[in-house]
Amino acid sequence: RKEVEQDPGPFNVPEGATVAFNCTYSNSASQSFFWYRQDCRKEPKLLMSVYSSGNEDGRFTAQLNRASQYISLLIRDSKLSDSATYLCVVSSSASKIIFGSGTRLSIRP
Amino acid sequence: EAGVTQSPTHLIKTRGQQATLRCSPISGHTSVYWYQQALGLGLQFLLWYDEGEERNRGNFPPRFSGRQFPNYSSELNVNALELEDSALYLCASGRTNWDQPQHFGDGTRLSIL
Repeated sequence: RKEVEQDPGPFNVPEGATVAFNCTYSNSASQSFFWYRQDCRKEPKLLMSVYSSGNEDGRFTAQLNRASQYISLLIRDSKLSDSATYLCVVSSSASKIIFGSGTRLSIRP
Repeated sequence: EAGVTQSPTHLIKTRGQQATLRCSPISGHTSVYWYQQALGLGLQFLLWYDEGEERNRGNFPPRFSGRQFPNYSSELNVNALELEDSALYLCASGRTNWDQPQHFGDGTRLSIL
């Protein structure tokens, strides 16, 4: 089993829809969690950190479920510009920072 | 604040040659991470440097090596290049306190002919 798993997608949703995807992790000692977005042939860019209490940044909401060992990303009122690959990152120590392989999201007009 | 900078942007080599890729971290960041991303695949962790020392390496052969300089910039060296080394090489920097996010450079696209 991979340490960090993401549904590769692609998720193909219409503009304006709400979409959510999860990232599961196997190490219960994981302490820090992040979501990045990566556009085609570009570098990953930090989207948001994920806090225990959950956090929101505009249309984006990130949540952490420690009991079930997953983090989630919810995108409301999706825009064409949200089309990208979304990577989750889970770390339990400085030497254990694991990137998921990403979920592809495609927003159609 | 200047971001992570990588050079060159593109690098074309032939099999058996050696490649050197460079990375300058964000000011104040002491950690540099190197990743390989082959076309259509996820990030594969290569190396982590902090305070001038190699702290961890991924599952790559010894011909992938690097170093970190006193100013925290870093080099990634790949010897005896093989066709499958063609990929986007990404550098990220971060603070020593690992619970802060990494920030990525634009990457170096290495093509092996």
